[in-house]
Amino acid sequence: TQLLEQSPQFLSIQEGENLTVYCNSSSVFSSLQWYRQEPGEGPVLLVTVVTGGEVKKLKRLTFQFGDARKDSSLHITAAQPGDTGLYLCAGAPGANNLFFGTGTRLTVIP
Amino acid sequence: KAGVTQTPRYLIKTRGQQVTLSCSPISGHRSVSWYQQTPGQGLQFLFEYFSETQRNKGNFPGRFSGRQFSNSRSEMNVSTLELGDSALYLCASSLALGSNQETQYFGPGTRLLVL
Repeated sequence: TQLLEQSPQFLSIQEGENLTVYCNSSSVFSSLQWYRQEPGEGPVLLVTVVTGGEVKKLKRLTFQFGDARKDSSLHITAAQPGDTGLYLCAGAPGANNLFFGTGTRLTVIP
Repeated sequence: KAGVTQTPRYLIKTRGQQVTLSCSPISGHRSVSWYQQTPGQGLQFLFEYFSETQRNKGNFPGRFSGRQFSNSRSEMNVSTLELGDSALYLCASSLALGSNQETQYFGPGTRLLVL
């Protein structure tokens, strides 16, 4: 079983603060994806990282894939209330077969 | 272009019954995957269908089954429902180009409550 552990599980911060969410595994993945899920909706893909050491930026979000392709991090700069949601990492051993992480529930307080 | 649609959105059943959930993928998408989301176990992969054939399967009992039709629409069935089957069932579709960078688009899910 391929497990993806995310930390922290819950995070509550003030608007304008920075935060980092971690996604760790003992398994190597060919790619890793980050999703955000809001209440009553399905997860929405934010980014896919493929190469070890890769860094991708999406406005205030920075994603990094570990050199060994076993871990990843998501850093949010100057968090806003609209960033509130459940953040999920997902490893892809296959193209349409995702192993999801345990999730980080982020609340940004105005 | 319409997104992934799932019906029904909410469902209440009792133990021992069976249930069928439906998923209509984005037009042109050939792969449909099903996931179960619970507070305790998180999001877990059930199975994936491509060209009316089950291509990948997760670690769920045989009570969970699915199928895909020629128009790529998919259904999943759960027989002999148990209390632990209460969950949000999510369907995702993709173009199925075979790339590990492929994007899956999720529907809003069907929330099943088993009493």
